Amino acid sequence: AQTVTQSQPEMSVQEAETVTLSCTYDTSESDYYLFWYKQPPSRQMILVIRQEAYKQQNATENRFSVNFQKAAKSFSLKISDSQLGDAAMYFCAYRSSGGTSYGKLTFGQGTILTVHP
Amino acid sequence: KAGVTQTPRYLIKTRGQQVTLSCSPISGHRSVSWYQQTPGQGLQFLFEYFSETQRNKGNFPGRFSGRQFSNSRSEMNVSTLELGDSALYLCASSYRTALSDTQYFGPGTRLTVL
Repeated sequence: AQTVTQSQPEMSVQEAETVTLSCTYDTSESDYYLFWYKQPPSRQMILVIRQEAYKQQNATENRFSVNFQKAAKSFSLKISDSQLGDAAMYFCAYRSSGGTSYGKLTFGQGTILTVHP
Repeated sequence: KAGVTQTPRYLIKTRGQQVTLSCSPISGHRSVSWYQQTPGQGLQFLFEYFSETQRNKGNFPGRFSGRQFSNSRSEMNVSTLELGDSALYLCASSYRTALSDTQYFGPGTRLTVL
C-alpha cells in the first residue's frame, strides 16, 4: 500500500517571501500521479498542482512549483511571493496510474501554512 | 460550469440513526469518489463509483455504503451511526480518463453524531 508523509505539521512565511512544503511517499509502482491540494478555512479542497511521475520536468502553476525527485520519492511544493490568500492547510496526495485505484487519492496528514503580513 | 455540490452541508444525528449524503458531480464527470476527513485520521478514501458501479473501496466497515445513479449523482449512506463517524465527508468528481483524471472536490458535508 502506498503512504504519503508530510513531516511539517505547521509552517509560516512572511508575505512576499518563499516557502517550501515537504512531502515524501512510499510506493513500489513506477507510474503514478502526485498532487498538491489546498484547503482554506472554508474547507473547500482546491487543486494547486499536478505531476505525472513519468515526466521528469517539474510542474509549475504561476507562483507554485514542485521539486519532484522520483528516486528519492520526494515531492515538495514551493510557493513564491507568498500572499495572505495562500494561508491554508496543504495536502500532498498520491494516485496510482490506473486499474481499480484510479479514483483513489492517498493523502498526507497536511501542513498548515500561516502567512504573516 | 457549476462545481461539485453536496447536500446537506451540515447534519446532526444521534447514535444508532442512519444518514444519507448526496453528491452531484461536475457536468460530464462520471466518476465520484468519497472521502472522510477527521482531525485524528486525516483524509481517508471511502469508495469510488464510476458508471453506476463501485470501482474501489477503502477500509471502512460495511455500515458505509454508496451508490451512483445514471445521471452520475452519488449518495453515501451510513447506518447505525457511531460517535466516531463525526467528520467532514467530501466527495470529488472527475472524467476518469487518461487525459483528464483530476479530482475536483465539493464543499463537504459536516456530520455531527451526538
